[in-house]
Amino acid sequence: GDSVTQMEGPVTLSEEAFLTINCTYTATGYPSLFWYVQYPGEGLQLLLKATKADDKGSNKGFEATYRKETTSFHLEKGSVQVSDSAVYFCALRLNNNDMRFGAGTRLTVKP
Amino acid sequence: DTGVSQDPRHKITKRGQNVTFRCDPISEHNRLYWYRQTLGQGPEFLTYFQNEAQLEKSRLLSDRFSAERPKGSFSTLEIQRTEQGDSAMYLCASSQTGTDMANTFGSGTRLTVV
Repeated sequence: GDSVTQMEGPVTLSEEAFLTINCTYTATGYPSLFWYVQYPGEGLQLLLKATKADDKGSNKGFEATYRKETTSFHLEKGSVQVSDSAVYFCALRLNNNDMRFGAGTRLTVKP
Repeated sequence: DTGVSQDPRHKITKRGQNVTFRCDPISEHNRLYWYRQTLGQGPEFLTYFQNEAQLEKSRLLSDRFSAERPKGSFSTLEIQRTEQGDSAMYLCASSQTGTDMANTFGSGTRLTVV
């Protein structure tokens, strides 16, 4: 079935380091792809999205490119900050129905 | 618009008791979703409504679970005869059909069954 697999955490980086969190998907159709972020004690917030192949989503310095040939949607940021510490979820959605989420990757950024 | 609201934020209940959670979606959104999230996992789909119609239910939604959205606005999720395995964060989300809009999530209701 449709699913998302993302890089296991936790990931610990120093401030200003480069971040990559890998995400690959399996889908029978052409899904929309999303990254959500969850800060401690809060709900999920949409970080960025891409709705078709080769689209690049970006927000707050984060980027991810929808790669149909590798079925991937890796999240990147050039220089992380302590405030980026959170859990990041990759997700897909088909046919405007339910979303399928990865297990989440916990990022800790140390000063 | 205040976003998606969920009530209560936390609920502690004894095993065997019934609990009910409420979700108020963004007012112009016609779709409403319920998810369950356990520690260290991503949200798992439970069910969704389009207006007042419940269109899909996951096999995770056992007979002890029931969801309603009687007027196509707020929704309730009831769990009967709670079990310790029901302890989780229950998330509500909403969206609007015909758009590429992502689901907007509420802050969730954390259920602890003791």
